[in-house]
Amino acid sequence: DIQMTQSPSAMSASVGDRVTITCRASQGISNYLAWFQQKPGKVPKRLIYASSSLQSGVPSRFSGSGSGTEFTLTISSLQPEDFATYYCLQHNSYPPTFGQGTKLEIK
Amino acid sequence: QVQLVESGGGVVQPGGSLRLSCAASGFTFSSYGMHWVRQAPGKGLEWVAFIRYDGSNKYYADSVKGRFTISRDNSKNTLYLQMNSLRAEDTAVYYCAKDPTLYCSSTSCSPGGYWGQGTLVTVSS
Repeated sequence: DIQMTQSPSAMSASVGDRVTITCRASQGISNYLAWFQQKPGKVPKRLIYASSSLQSGVPSRFSGSGSGTEFTLTISSLQPEDFATYYCLQHNSYPPTFGQGTKLEIK
Repeated sequence: QVQLVESGGGVVQPGGSLRLSCAASGFTFSSYGMHWVRQAPGKGLEWVAFIRYDGSNKYYADSVKGRFTISRDNSKNTLYLQMNSLRAEDTAVYYCAKDPTLYCSSTSCSPGGYWGQGTLVTVSS
């Protein structure tokens, strides 16, 4: 199975900050990478698919990049509603595997 | 609009069985693969199973292989997860999720932007 390692596992930041979360795959996955946001008690929400394509309705402050084994999710200017846990998901080969999550908290 | 509504969760003893359902509406169910994803309390997301749009191929996580069976009834627009030989570590919220790709049949199929609200399965004596 392909292992997905996110970093950091947790971080604190302030409203207005630029934030980057990294996801590394244990082997190349082309661009078969999605990012999800999950708030406590809520359903995961897909933000990014195909590494860099923005899901319809998602604010443009979210962006994704990368290919192969290293990927990033960037939030250009943190808003109060962005404090949540973020997961990457690879689907280059089965089984699809999620990263362990990055919890983004308010500083 | 796309709607996915899970049901069937509850409390079951170790070794017991449970069948989850996911009622789909708002899209042509028979044209899309479907996934089950779970989340143990306080833990991350874990993909569980996938079934092709026509039910001809099914894939499972190693952790549930041989115990869980994914199926679908396209005439009823409903996805199922039959869970047997349940263990404490199967305790989780179970979500059904729609694959975003029409007629996805490759090993790159994945959960997309539409998920149900989840149903809680608790395995405990």
